[in-house]
Amino acid sequence: GENVEQHPSTLSVQEGDSAVIKCTYSDSASNYFPWYKQELGKRPQLIIDIRSNVGEKKDQRIAVTLNKTAKHFSLHITETQPEDSAVYFCAAFYSGNTPLVFGKGTRLSVIA
Amino acid sequence: GAVVSQHPSRVICKSGTSVKIECRSLDFQATTMFWYRQFPKQSLMLMATSNEGSKATYEQGVEKDKFLINHASLTLSTLTVTSAHPEDSSFYICSARQDYEQYFGPGTRLTVT
Repeated sequence: GENVEQHPSTLSVQEGDSAVIKCTYSDSASNYFPWYKQELGKRPQLIIDIRSNVGEKKDQRIAVTLNKTAKHFSLHITETQPEDSAVYFCAAFYSGNTPLVFGKGTRLSVIA
Repeated sequence: GAVVSQHPSRVICKSGTSVKIECRSLDFQATTMFWYRQFPKQSLMLMATSNEGSKATYEQGVEKDKFLINHASLTLSTLTVTSAHPEDSSFYICSARQDYEQYFGPGTRLTVT
């Protein structure tokens, strides 16, 4: 089955700096890669996703890149703000009724 | 995005009792819903996949007789924690898929005393 590794587990950045979180997956059949942001005690919120037919997707300060050959994908947050502080999860999925497989999460702290 | 609701948001129960948690997709039909458990500072752990009109598929190590899942309609799935014990205390989150996107309910914090 699919296995998703996520790094780093914790990340602290200064406000205004960029943050990068990386994930690798094992199943080459996976074709959908979402990123979720979870604030303490709340539900995970989908913030951006990418499908395997594109290599990069951007939404304002957030971007995701995908390297299918190497089987890794990354989340990039630019101009970080304190409200970006949360736990971020990457996930992978390939089809049908199979569930998303999540990484273990990255706790991002943006220091003002 | 699509909206998934979950009820109750918090529940405290005594050891040995049963608790039912409801998960609804409000503006779309979900043939498949997922139930997760999350312990503090940990990732989402998939418990089971709930398919409308059929039996749920449980992950290894999850007791199907303890965590009863019913997916009676395309918009409703329920998780019943039977004979709850303190070690069942956790944050339970349901999720429903629409096309590729998967949306989460707000979660239920269960405390068993």
